[in-house]
Amino acid sequence: EVQLVESGGGLVQFGGSLRLSCAASVFTFNNYWINWVRQAPGKGLEWVANISPDGSRNDYMDSVRGRFTISRDNTKNSVYLQMNSLRVDDTAVYYCATAVSPGKLDYWGQGTLVTVSS
Amino acid sequence: QSALTQPASVSGSPGQSIAISCTGTDSDVGAYDYVSWYQQHPGKAPQLIIYDVSNRPLGVSNRFSGSKSGNTASLTISGLQAEDEADYYCGSSSISRPMVFGTGTKVTVL
Repeated sequence: EVQLVESGGGLVQFGGSLRLSCAASVFTFNNYWINWVRQAPGKGLEWVANISPDGSRNDYMDSVRGRFTISRDNTKNSVYLQMNSLRVDDTAVYYCATAVSPGKLDYWGQGTLVTVSS
Repeated sequence: QSALTQPASVSGSPGQSIAISCTGTDSDVGAYDYVSWYQQHPGKAPQLIIYDVSNRPLGVSNRFSGSKSGNTASLTISGLQAEDEADYYCGSSSISRPMVFGTGTKVTVL
């Protein structure tokens, strides 16, 4: 079974930066697309970014493109989300989730909370 | 980039069946058979319960079933149980981005 553990969340001021990590315990980590999904307090799920198994392709939601960067290190079974120029509306629990096929997020981590203060 | 539309809440008594709709457009739900459904209990991570419109992952109860017609997908929960009380989200691949989620539905077991 795949287990994902996110870390790196915390309290940061408007305009600041954070780097989230997602560590996976799975033998075939480099078979998976990895997605970041966020959930603002009391709100619904919002897809943020994804990265291909070999790290050569990625995509972002419009409001974070240019501010967030997703990357991965398959030797460490890890994916990262570098978040710069953070805004108050980036406040959310950030989940990483695997996907072997389109539109199917099959394994999720427990999430890490990012709070951006003004 | 609009979310898919779901009813805010649905309720039912134990043993009943309920259905949750998920309405999108020709660019997402109507374009692909890549519709999924997620169950989220309070304070927990979402869990995949339906993928590719109507398939269940191993270990998910057969009381959960999915379907799609045109731009609208549906999740049906039959034999409603107290443990089914949770938030439910649909998701779909879309032409413009890899994943778009629904607005979410709170299911209450009366």
